[in-house]
Amino acid sequence: EVHLVESGGGLVQPGGSLRLSCEASGFTFSSHWMDWVRQAPGKGLEWVGNINRDGSVKHYVDSVKGRFTISRDNAKNSLYLQMNSLRVEDTAVYYCARDYGDWGQGALVTVSS
Amino acid sequence: QAGLTQPPSVSKGLRQTATLTCTGNSNNVGTEGATWLQQHQGHPPKLLFYRDIYGPPSGISERFSASRSGNTASLTITGLQPEDEADYYCSAWDSSLSAWVFGGGTKVTVL
Repeated sequence: EVHLVESGGGLVQPGGSLRLSCEASGFTFSSHWMDWVRQAPGKGLEWVGNINRDGSVKHYVDSVKGRFTISRDNAKNSLYLQMNSLRVEDTAVYYCARDYGDWGQGALVTVSS
Repeated sequence: QAGLTQPPSVSKGLRQTATLTCTGNSNNVGTEGATWLQQHQGHPPKLLFYRDIYGPPSGISERFSASRSGNTASLTITGLQPEDEADYYCSAWDSSLSAWVFGGGTKVTVL
């Protein structure tokens, strides 16, 4: 059974940094592209970015380019989202997803002073 | 990044049929197909259909079906049940943006 577990969420001040992790199990992690998708409170889904199987190709939504970095460690079956220069509008639940078919429970990131 | 267009809400009676639409352009829905997700309040999304073709996954009712005509994708739910009340999102890979784009979601209410 596929499991995706996000961790690292929390409260951070504007301009601060946070690193989310997503630990994967139940499938061959290194064989799949992985995505980060977020959802602001009471709002719809927004794709944040994705990364290919070996980490050599990454794509991002315009609003996070230059601030967020996606990486992965296939030896640890883990996906990461490094978030810098955080803004109030980055407040959301952040989900990691495999091919949109499997999702974690999400990690809440709150950016507030 | 421009998103896909979905109606904000659809209300239908029990056991009726609801058709949800998702309109994009030739860079996304028209060529890459639409992915449909269902989300119940307080839960992560669930995949219904991936790029028009793949789905529904095991565990998802066969009352769900997907289709596409040009740049508009549709999700049809037949025989609406109370458990179908949820938010439904479409998404598509946009080849010109090299990004996934989402619709704003459609809230389905079963009367």
